[in-house]
Formats: sequence, C-alpha cells, structure tokens
Amino acid sequence: GAGVSQTPSNKVTEKGKYVELRCDPISGHTALYWYRQSLGQGPEFLIYFQGTGAADDSGLPNDRFFAVRPEGSVSTLKIQRTERGDSAVYLCASSQTGQGVGGYTFGSGTRLTVV
Amino acid sequence: GQNIDQPTEMTATEGAIVQINCTYQTSGFNGLFWYQQHAGEAPTFLSYNVLDGLEEKGRFSSFLSRSKGYSYLLLKELQMKDSASYLCAVSPTGTYKYIFGTGTRLKVLA
Repeated sequence: GAGVSQTPSNKVTEKGKYVELRCDPISGHTALYWYRQSLGQGPEFLIYFQGTGAADDSGLPNDRFFAVRPEGSVSTLKIQRTERGDSAVYLCASSQTGQGVGGYTFGSGTRLTVV
Repeated sequence: GQNIDQPTEMTATEGAIVQINCTYQTSGFNGLFWYQQHAGEAPTFLSYNVLDGLEEKGRFSSFLSRSKGYSYLLLKELQMKDSASYLCAVSPTGTYKYIFGTGTRLKVLA
C-alpha cells in the first residue's frame, strides 16, 4: 500500500483480556518495527523484524507481549492479560531495509485503552 | 546505555528562526534522526546525520557534533503549521532500533 496501515485505530479493552493489533507495512519494505508511545513521551522500541524473523525483541517489556510476521509482510502484536499500564499508542513503522538511513515511515498507530 | 535530553517546550513567532537542541550520552550510534509529530498523528521523518556538520533541507537544517554529544534542529521562516513536537533519536551501534527523546513541543504564535 501507499503507507503503513494499522488497525484498529482505537481499541478499548478490559483488564485481563487479550488483544491483537495489526500492521500492514509499505509494500516491499523488509524491515518492520513496533514502538509504543505514552502521553508526553517519545516512542519506545518494542521489536524489529527483518523479513519473517524477529531480529531484535529486546524492547518487549515481558512475556505477555508477542509479535509475529509469518509471511514477511503483515505483522500482529499480541498482548495477553492486558493491564492498565499497557494503555498507550502502539506505532508500527517500516523501512526498505534495516539500515534506517532514510528514516522510517510510521503508521498512524493504534490507541489502546485498558479499563 | 543511552540518555537523550531535549527541552520540553519552546515558543516562537511566525516568520522567526528557532533552534531545538538535543544532547545525548551513548557509547556509539549509527546516526542521529529528527522526527516531527503533530498532535494525534504519527511521527514523520525530517533529517538524518551520521557525520559532524550541518545537513540542510529547505527550511529545516540539522547539525551534529559527535565529540560533544550534541545536535540541533534549526527551523527557519516559521509557519503556524510547524507547531508540533520534534523528536530527537539515536540508533545505537549494531542495532536498527531508535532511542527517542521525550520530544520538544514547539508552539508557533502569530
């Protein structure tokens, strides 16, 4: 597609529930990144995919968070047993390679609210 | 580790020039990036510096001094639409991720 598409744009869920957030990167971009951004903060790195594999998952805060990219295109971020502290905007970005020299293209994000 | 510092807020007048500073402590990085983020929107890429010096792109310029751990973003001929947050980020050596600062909220007044 023309840009990075994220769905849903907003998600409200109850504490303890499971959620999935989807990212559709720019066609042909091999590198895909997930970040989350809390109010008044900069984005915080979660995970980076090169193709189908997670090349760096050092930012995932705990084992409730998991992400997949089975065919090297669309990615899903999965959060189990959600907590109120998980409330944030989850941003996905893609780039043509992993080099990032030209910067990333970010999607508009999914605003997750855990009540 | 990495630590990135930016001023929280700045105010400037339409038509003026503003300089947004960023200092960082890191053992090494691939490059330093600046992003613009309007309220409720995604960050958009502005500039990238890997070597010392000034990179100019229209009304926006970015400067880097690796020895001083310092960068700035210079915005000229300010317009109302430049009101946004400006995020400084470094990409640590050996990784492809960014470490972002908290951002500087710029208000442009008429």
